Amino acid sequence: NAGVTQTPKFRILKIGQSMTLQCTQDMNHNYMYWYRQDPGMGLKLIYYSVGAGITDKGEVPNGYNVSRSTTEDFPLRLELAAPSQTSVYFCASIRDAHYGYTFGSGTRLTVV
Amino acid sequence: KQEVTQIPAALSVPEGENLVLNCSFTDSAIYNLQWFRQDPGKGLTSLLLIQSSQREQTSGRLNASLDKSSGRSTLYIAASQPGDSATYLCAVRPGKAAGNKLTFGGGTRVLVKP
Repeated sequence: NAGVTQTPKFRILKIGQSMTLQCTQDMNHNYMYWYRQDPGMGLKLIYYSVGAGITDKGEVPNGYNVSRSTTEDFPLRLELAAPSQTSVYFCASIRDAHYGYTFGSGTRLTVV
Repeated sequence: KQEVTQIPAALSVPEGENLVLNCSFTDSAIYNLQWFRQDPGKGLTSLLLIQSSQREQTSGRLNASLDKSSGRSTLYIAASQPGDSATYLCAVRPGKAAGNKLTFGGGTRVLVKP
């Protein structure tokens, strides 16, 4: 059972480039989330999804887009990378409200 | 808006001492609260999940208490070891908001000295 898998683990982008952070889970969880963590800070919610075909904005959605075409996958898209998007990105999922979150191992992104 | 605070931001103790980590939240209408451990450069590992109807949860040397009315949770780690050195994060799930979204505290960075 792989849990939540994120790729890539590390990436360096130039300003203005675009990329997609991949997230997949094999637990058949309906709820999936993208968080970012800046150095020395807690996690802030970017986007989330309550099921396939349904997504919604979190606290810090500007500069990002998501899609949820299947239950398993929840990719995060950066269209025009900016230095302010340098951060560690975590994907997470839960079965429903009664259960705890399962997190992926993170993607460390640097925009130069 | 729910706000979660963890004080102190950093803590250093000698090996063998008990650790007491604090988490406070402003809105007591929570569904549950989760404690996580994060090692440097790594992801989050779930330690304990406390439902709003529970007062405490235990797992080995870890014990977490919850006092909803006062907006507080405490994580106790008994007989600390150098391997307990990590950042500990608490997160609350609101009772009624859609999406089961977590609000995180800023974390407490713990160093256990041999």
